[in-house]
Amino acid sequence: SAVISQKPSRDICQRGTSLTIQCQVDSQVTMMFWYRQQPGQSLTLIATANQGSEATYESGFVIDKFPISRPNLTFSTLTVSNMSPEDSSIYLCSVLGGTLTGELFFGEGSRLTVL
Amino acid sequence: GNSVTQMEGPVTLSEEAFLTINCTYTATGYPSLFWYVQYPGEGLQLLLKATKADDKGSNKGFEATYRKETTSFHLEKGSVQVSDSAVYFCALRGGGADGLTFGKGTHLIIQP
Repeated sequence: SAVISQKPSRDICQRGTSLTIQCQVDSQVTMMFWYRQQPGQSLTLIATANQGSEATYESGFVIDKFPISRPNLTFSTLTVSNMSPEDSSIYLCSVLGGTLTGELFFGEGSRLTVL
Repeated sequence: GNSVTQMEGPVTLSEEAFLTINCTYTATGYPSLFWYVQYPGEGLQLLLKATKADDKGSNKGFEATYRKETTSFHLEKGSVQVSDSAVYFCALRGGGADGLTFGKGTHLIIQP
């Protein structure tokens, strides 16, 4: 399994500002994923981030709103831009485990509250 | 596309009761199936998994069997404890997608 650290663990933000969430993994991984968990809801995949290529966004998510960087095999960032109260969520970084089993390992999440 | 449907919660049981949380899925091909658990204030943890038909995943007294004929992966435990109180998510990976598709989650409350 991988150990995944996210920063910040929580933050309170003002409307219209942007916040960057960092994700650090203790081993090199090819695929990293960013999920959003809105209050009381399930997890929704925002995008897949592979090192050396542009992130692939899911339907309903765009790069201008959620720019992602993946500078190396152990690190990624997700920025939530021009935030509104609807962006209040837990944002989770995850990595793919062993290819044969296909499970994801998750960080503990970054809880954002937008006022 | 892929989808996961699981029973709505909250599910409230007494300690030592038998637990079933239903999960059915839609996917092309042969997906891998997972149950994740989220304890209060904590991150998401893998509980168990099954990667092919008729496989049984098990962990911490929980079990789930991959039933391709009924496209189901129901979670069961013979005797629940208060410490099992959490939100349980059924998920799948397959159909060409790299990420996981999650169900809406079932909030389980175990009363002493």
